[in-house]
Amino acid sequence: AQSVTQPDIHITVSEGASLELRCNYSYGATPYLFWYVQSPGQGLQLLLKYFSGDTLVQGIKGFEAEFKRSQSSFNLRKPSVHWSDAAEYFCAVGRISSGSARQLTFGSGTQLTVLP
Amino acid sequence: DTEVTQTPKHLVMGMTNKKSLKCEQHMGHRAMYWYKQKAKKPPELMFVYSYEKLSINESVPSRFSPECPNSSLLNLHLHALQPEDSALYLCASSQDVGTGAYEQYFGPGTRLTVT
Repeated sequence: AQSVTQPDIHITVSEGASLELRCNYSYGATPYLFWYVQSPGQGLQLLLKYFSGDTLVQGIKGFEAEFKRSQSSFNLRKPSVHWSDAAEYFCAVGRISSGSARQLTFGSGTQLTVLP
Repeated sequence: DTEVTQTPKHLVMGMTNKKSLKCEQHMGHRAMYWYKQKAKKPPELMFVYSYEKLSINESVPSRFSPECPNSSLLNLHLHALQPEDSALYLCASSQDVGTGAYEQYFGPGTRLTVT
């Protein structure tokens, strides 16, 4: 069975500093990997996804993530954090369940606080 | 357009009430999902509809009853809920397998409070 681990429950960075959020996955086949962001009381917004090909993927809002098969990792990075990036971040692995349906297994999330 | 809409945004209901949550997407997606999310936790899958048929029920209590009237709409009927059912209910959709697009798009959620 697949699983996703986000080792950091809470991360605090200063505005303008770089950011890396960690994600490790366990999955038998080639994983479909995602990063989502959730602001308080809101739905989840897709930041980026990895299916195959180039292991460095670019997303929205200046985020990128690198897939490393040897480390079973899919870490999210941003070179310069903005105050508006403060939110909950979820890493997820996806698999086909039935028909066209995709099931996502989410990590427990990382809460990002940005200091002025 | 990658928008999933949900109504209402907030809902307060008593334990004897019957209410419904509504979700709509116009992206032509053929899979739709209901999730429940408690505070500080990741979303938990409740139901999956694929081509308007229920394909997954994650052992959800019968007081939650999903319905997919057509490919764009998904409802969640609520009856005799318990206070512990208070949560953010999220709807999501994803595209057909043939296109190779696997990501799920989420709505803003309905904040449900059961009194």
